[in-house]
Amino acid sequence: AQSVTQPDIHITVSEGASLELRCNYSYGATPYLFWYVQSPGQGLQLLLKYFSGDTLVQGIKGFEAEFKRSQSSFNLRKPSVHWSDAAEYFCATSGTYKYIFGTGTRLKVLA
Amino acid sequence: DVKVTQSSRYLVKRTGEKVFLECVQDMDHENMFWYRQDPGLGLRLIYFSYDVKMKEKGDIPEGYSVSREKKERFSLILESASTNQTSMYLCASSFYSGASYEQYFGPGTRLTVT
Repeated sequence: AQSVTQPDIHITVSEGASLELRCNYSYGATPYLFWYVQSPGQGLQLLLKYFSGDTLVQGIKGFEAEFKRSQSSFNLRKPSVHWSDAAEYFCATSGTYKYIFGTGTRLKVLA
Repeated sequence: DVKVTQSSRYLVKRTGEKVFLECVQDMDHENMFWYRQDPGLGLRLIYFSYDVKMKEKGDIPEGYSVSREKKERFSLILESASTNQTSMYLCASSFYSGASYEQYFGPGTRLTVT
C-alpha cells in the first residue's frame, strides 16, 4: 500500500537560512507526489508536484523539491527562508481519486 | 483560479446537535472530499464523492454522512455531534490533469462541540 512519511514533526530555522523538509514514500511504481503548505487557520495550498520527467521540480514561493527514487524521497527545499514561510507543510501522494498525506512538519522561523 | 469555499470558518455546536458543513467549488470538478485534521494525525479522509449522488467512505466515516445533490456542492453531516468530533474540517475538490488528480482545498471549518 502507498504511504508517505514525514519524519520531522517540528523544524526551526533562522530567517535567511536554507531549509530542507523530508518526505519518504512507499510505492512500487513511480508515484505522483505533492507538497502543500498550510498557514495558520488556513486551508492547504499546493506548492509543487511531481509526476514524471525532470526529478527537480520548481514550485511557488521559491520552493523546489527533488525526487530520488533510490532513496524513496521527495524532499522540499528553499535556499533562504523568510519569516512568512512559517507554516505547516504536508507531503502527499495520490492514487485513484484519493490522496495519502503525511502527518506534516511544522516550520518555525526565528528572526 | 480554482475556488473552494466552505460555509463557515468557525462553528460552535452542542453535543447531540445535527451539524451541516457545506462546501462549494466553482471549477466543475468531478471529485470532492471531506477531511478532518487533528494535531499529530495529519489529514484523514472522511468521505469522498466522484460524481453527483455518488459517495464512498474514507478512512474514518463513523459518525458522519455526506450529500452531493449537485456537482458543485458537497455537504458533510454530523447526525449527532459529539465532543470527539471537535476538529478542523477541510473540503477539497480535484480534477484529472492528464497525469494525476490534483486537489484544491477550501479554507477549512474549525468546529467545536461542547
